Amino acid sequence: RKEVEQDPGPFNVPEGATVAFNCTYSNSASQSFFWYRQDCRKEPKLLMSVYSSGNEDGRFTAQLNRASQYISLLIRDSKLSDSATYLCVVNPRLTGGGNKLTFGTGTQLKVEL
Amino acid sequence: NAGVTQTPKFRILKIGQSMTLQCTQDMNHNYMYWYRQDPGMGLKLIYYSVGAGITDKGEVPNGYNVSRSTTEDFPLRLELAAPSQTSVYFCASTSQPPTQYFGPGTRLTVL
Repeated sequence: RKEVEQDPGPFNVPEGATVAFNCTYSNSASQSFFWYRQDCRKEPKLLMSVYSSGNEDGRFTAQLNRASQYISLLIRDSKLSDSATYLCVVNPRLTGGGNKLTFGTGTQLKVEL
Repeated sequence: NAGVTQTPKFRILKIGQSMTLQCTQDMNHNYMYWYRQDPGMGLKLIYYSVGAGITDKGEVPNGYNVSRSTTEDFPLRLELAAPSQTSVYFCASTSQPPTQYFGPGTRLTVL
């Protein structure tokens, strides 16, 4: 089983739609969780952290379910500019070990007119 | 601040050649990382450093070497390039793990 699994997509949605991405992780001791955004042929950039209580940043909402080892990202009112690949990222340790991150393969989103 | 910079942006190597990918950050970050990203695959950690003079292997270190003589620089050395090393290489840094800031990448092709 992969450490971090995502549906690769692509998700093709019309502008204004709501779209949700899911991610599962295998290490139950994982401590920190993130969504990164990667535009075509560009570097990954942090979109948002994910907390157990859930968190929202404008049109983006992230949720964490530790019991099910499941992370989600909800994008409301999709814009053309949201088209990108969304990477689910997990930090398996609280401290030490260089705070290495484990990246999912990404879910591709295409927002269309 | 320029952030994390990487050179070159693109490079084509012949099998068996060697090269160094440069990474520099001007944010005084202690932690630095090298990743490779193959098509359809997640980023894989090659090497990382928690400070000047300290480096350690990541998930896929074979065929690569690193050094960290200063806080700012973290070069990645490829010896005896092979077609399997064709990839996009990203350098990242941070002072507040685990959030990381990435450079723009180096696209390497080995023919």
